[in-house]
Amino acid sequence: DAMVIQNPRYQVTQFGKPVTLSCSQTLNHNVMYWYQQKSSQAPKLLFHYYDKDFNNEADTPDNFQSRRPNTSFCFLDIRSPGLGDAAMYLCATSSPGNYGYTFGSGTRLTVV
Amino acid sequence: DQQVKQNSPSLSVQEGRISILNCDYTNSMFDYFLWYKKYPAEGPTFLISISSIKDKNEDGRFTVFLNKSAKHLSLHIVPSQPGDSAVYFCAASAPDNDMRFGAGTRLTVKP
Repeated sequence: DAMVIQNPRYQVTQFGKPVTLSCSQTLNHNVMYWYQQKSSQAPKLLFHYYDKDFNNEADTPDNFQSRRPNTSFCFLDIRSPGLGDAAMYLCATSSPGNYGYTFGSGTRLTVV
Repeated sequence: DQQVKQNSPSLSVQEGRISILNCDYTNSMFDYFLWYKKYPAEGPTFLISISSIKDKNEDGRFTVFLNKSAKHLSLHIVPSQPGDSAVYFCAASAPDNDMRFGAGTRLTVKP
């Protein structure tokens, strides 16, 4: 089945230690998104790629970076994780003209 | 700036009864609305959607109603089943803009 896959499902990292979360898709969608979701809050868009064009939300901290080496893969890099960065990170994809998003299962990040 | 609001964090319903989940929005440019369902430890999955040119869309036990003048939409589940227990996110998008989500409502359907 075509899908969006996020690895790992659970990630524990040390305070200040760089961490990378990965997302891959087999849908060949142009657009890939990274959302941060904290408990009982709406998923918050961090940034998205339209093909290779990177779009950063104005309030996304500089601590968060992203890479999209090809259509299938997108990475979220957190350069110096703080305790406040502990959250569920969701990757989603969409294609132009299609309002619906397809989500991965998410990566739950714990910062210790 | 929370453009999509789900004011009820939780809802509990008896099996077989109707579940009504509500959502309000503030951006009049939104023209497409979606509901996503999320089980624990999984990503949100698409449930049902509605375009702003409609006021109702039905898919089996799920119906979404849109009241544009009130900037309000609701999701009705009839009859509710225990397997419907999940967090439901309302989402909205405007042309050429990204989707905005509500904070979710946790639905519990009791047997």
